[in-house]
Amino acid sequence: DQQVKQNSPSLSVQEGRISILNCDYTNSMFDYFLWYKKYPAEGPTFLISISSIKDKNEDGRFTVFLNKSAKHLSLHIVPSQPGDSAVYFCAASARHWGGADGLTFGKGTHLIIQP
Amino acid sequence: DVKVTQSSRYLVKRTGEKVFLECVQDMDHENMFWYRQDPGLGLRLIYFSYDVKMKEKGDIPEGYSVSREKKERFSLILESASTNQTSMYLCASTQNGLAGGRGTDTQYFGPGTRLTVL
Repeated sequence: DQQVKQNSPSLSVQEGRISILNCDYTNSMFDYFLWYKKYPAEGPTFLISISSIKDKNEDGRFTVFLNKSAKHLSLHIVPSQPGDSAVYFCAASARHWGGADGLTFGKGTHLIIQP
Repeated sequence: DVKVTQSSRYLVKRTGEKVFLECVQDMDHENMFWYRQDPGLGLRLIYFSYDVKMKEKGDIPEGYSVSREKKERFSLILESASTNQTSMYLCASTQNGLAGGRGTDTQYFGPGTRLTVL
């Protein structure tokens, strides 16, 4: 049972345009969401996060939107650049007091920025 | 800068061998994690540890064990490697639990170990 879903395995966007990556989740206990970017043969790197008390978080060209009622979040990249070509993973965490908790990841979306 | 290192980038082992994957972080982080990444399945949590000698099962612990004897080192052990354990293994660390120290706490990942079991 997949709790974090990225339904688009790949997305192709022209350079300079907006890239929108989508993510849906089913576990209502999730209250913290993150986006990671991964290049081939490298570990994922943190991009941006959002707590469930917010509906938007912005960092430079990257904005994450959270719609709790729809259990949906999206990552917007504006403007898209060639270096943004990578696999993007959506991840979520459920409240866990007193210790660490692993993240639940989606399957990833391969973003391809075309010149 | 946080640095998470993994002992090998590429590893080839035979079925039935005992395999050790080592991970070291240099930022005195409390929590460490092991994931595996497979095409079409994303990253899946195998085990994590929130303190020395403490460990918790993740989503897919079967066929694996872990060891955390020192704070900076977290080892993943395949007791008897099988071909379905061929995968990319990723180690991560974070200072606080994601619930306990929110805000900018994120998991920092190592470069990964590509393990092939023949």
